[in-house]
Amino acid sequence: EVQLVESGGGLVQPGGSVRLSCAASGFSFSSYWMHWVRQGPGKGLMWVSHINTDGSTTNYADSVRGRFTISRDNAKNTLYLQLNSLTAEDTAVYYCTRGGGGFDPWGQGTLVTVSS
Amino acid sequence: DIVMTQSPDSLAVSLGERATINCKSSQSILYSSNNKNNLAWYQQKLGQPPKLLINWASTRESGVPDRFSGSGSGTDFTLTISSLQAEDVAVYYCQQYYSTPYTFGQGTNLEIK
Repeated sequence: EVQLVESGGGLVQPGGSVRLSCAASGFSFSSYWMHWVRQGPGKGLMWVSHINTDGSTTNYADSVRGRFTISRDNAKNTLYLQLNSLTAEDTAVYYCTRGGGGFDPWGQGTLVTVSS
Repeated sequence: DIVMTQSPDSLAVSLGERATINCKSSQSILYSSNNKNNLAWYQQKLGQPPKLLINWASTRESGVPDRFSGSGSGTDFTLTISSLQAEDVAVYYCQQYYSTPYTFGQGTNLEIK
């Protein structure tokens, strides 16, 4: 079964940092571009970042560029997102998802809450 | 950035009736090299992650009921549910993956009338 499981979310103070992880199983992780998408409370979906198969190419939404860093470890079948300089506007459920046309599948998400 | 605009924002349809959701992109998302529209439709039920329903504007994903269909090309797209079932209550999103940032529509909340 193809599966993505996120972890690492929690309560973070404004200006703080957190690293999210996404463990992949059931498919050849190293063959796929991977993405992070977030969803604020009661809001729609926003693409955050993507990374190519070997990690050499990354891209970010303007609102997170310079603060977030996407990376991957193909030996561990794991995708990461480092979030720095967090503000309340970054409060959201963060999903990892597999690319290749539309995004499929999606993990259950991990909630990051930025608050003092 | 490509702006994706869905209509309507919310929709109430009787069981067994047709539901139609529209999605318009601010520029064409048709790749001329392969003649494919880089558009997806997702279903998100309450408390769940999104689920991919339709890829390349009209290709239904494996396991998706055939009452769901996608159509359109260029800048105008439609998701149709031919006969609404109770389990179809959800928010539906379109998304373009033609160019980054990969943008989503604002969502359409589908309810039972």
